[in-house]
Amino acid sequence: SQTIHQWPATLVQPVGSPLSLECTVEGTSNPNLYWYRQAAGRGLQLLFYSVGIGQISSEVPQNLSASRPQDRQFILSSKKLLLSDSGFYLCAWRGNRGNTIYFGEGSWLTVV
Amino acid sequence: AQSVTQPDIHITVSEGASLELRCNYSYGATPYLFWYVQSPGQGLQLLLKYFSGDTLVQGIKGFEAEFKRSQSSFNLRKPSVHWSDAAEYFCAVGANSGGYQKVTFGTGTKLQVIP
Repeated sequence: SQTIHQWPATLVQPVGSPLSLECTVEGTSNPNLYWYRQAAGRGLQLLFYSVGIGQISSEVPQNLSASRPQDRQFILSSKKLLLSDSGFYLCAWRGNRGNTIYFGEGSWLTVV
Repeated sequence: AQSVTQPDIHITVSEGASLELRCNYSYGATPYLFWYVQSPGQGLQLLLKYFSGDTLVQGIKGFEAEFKRSQSSFNLRKPSVHWSDAAEYFCAVGANSGGYQKVTFGTGTKLQVIP
């Protein structure tokens, strides 16, 4: 069966520091991968999606970037965090022949 | 572009009472529709989905949803709510776009269950 792992689960970082959130999927190949952000009291905002290694598309301009160095690995990064980057970040995947998106457990980021 | 509206931000129901959470979508073709549930501090868990066929779909935890094309709605229902159902519920609409599945979420409905 397929599983998705996301870490770290919780992160407190000072303004201006770098960020790296990692996500891996097991039990499937060539998945579509997604990064969403959920700010307090708001819905889910799609940040990035990837249909293959090295293929990243950004939905909104922001202080973040994403990379996909391996088929089942998706990384969310920032060189310098802003206070507004605080939120709950969710990695998700979809099989390349399916229509359902499955989510990881999420990572809480607090920028102080 | 697709969009989803969940008109109720908060809903409070008594344990044992019935529940209906509203969802309206906007999309030009037949959409893929989903309901997810999120407990505090957790990721999203898929409750049910509709792709085609029978417009009444059954999900996990006793939930069901009905797709009504004429009303562009996909409301979530449960006949008898349990205290453990307290969570936030998200409706979502998906569409294939340029080789990937774009899923748009509503802003969520927070469900409170009182004894």
